[in-house]
Amino acid sequence: DVVLTQTPPTLSATIGQSVSISCRSSQSLLDSDGDTYLNWLLQRPGQSPQLLIYSVSNLESGVPNRFSGSGSETDFTLKISGVEAEDLGVYYCMQATHAPYTFGAGTKLELK
Amino acid sequence: QVQLKESGPVLVQASETLSLTCTVSGFSLTNYGVIWVRQPPGKGLEWMGIIWRNGNTDYNSALKSRLSINRDTSKSQVFLKMNSLQTDDTAIYYCTSIDYWGQGVMVTVSS
Repeated sequence: DVVLTQTPPTLSATIGQSVSISCRSSQSLLDSDGDTYLNWLLQRPGQSPQLLIYSVSNLESGVPNRFSGSGSETDFTLKISGVEAEDLGVYYCMQATHAPYTFGAGTKLELK
Repeated sequence: QVQLKESGPVLVQASETLSLTCTVSGFSLTNYGVIWVRQPPGKGLEWMGIIWRNGNTDYNSALKSRLSINRDTSKSQVFLKMNSLQTDDTAIYYCTSIDYWGQGVMVTVSS
């Protein structure tokens, strides 16, 4: 199974600060159809996860554009340009290229 | 409006079988796959398995021997069954299409 390694496990930020989260895959996530199925999700405290970004860099409808995703093959990054209070929670990367799908262990974003 | 809702028992005895139902609305199961994900208390997300739009399934390698996912397209329902439960199967169980998530159901396995 594909292993996704997220770093850092915890991230402390002030409001307005820009932060990045890394997700590295144990194998390439480039699918034979040419797409790369790496998604980013946010789970706020006490809530179900929500999809932020799909296929590396596509913003899900309704997600603020301070969120952006980049990367290819095995290395991916989620960037938040100007953290807001509502962004606090745990971020997960998830790959949907190779079945069984897998999640990273999560990165907790907290206020400094 | 797309919705997914999990239902099932909140307390199950160890060694027994867990049966959960995911009822969807706003889309057809023949057009989209549905995934089961679980989350033990205070821990991360674990992908359990998927039933594809064509009815085929894929399972987490670690759970494959005791997990099955089926569906009834006429009722817009997806079913999860997992046998030989242990206390470390205690978790919130979610069904999701990834872009939409259910509220989850907290299942406690009692010894």
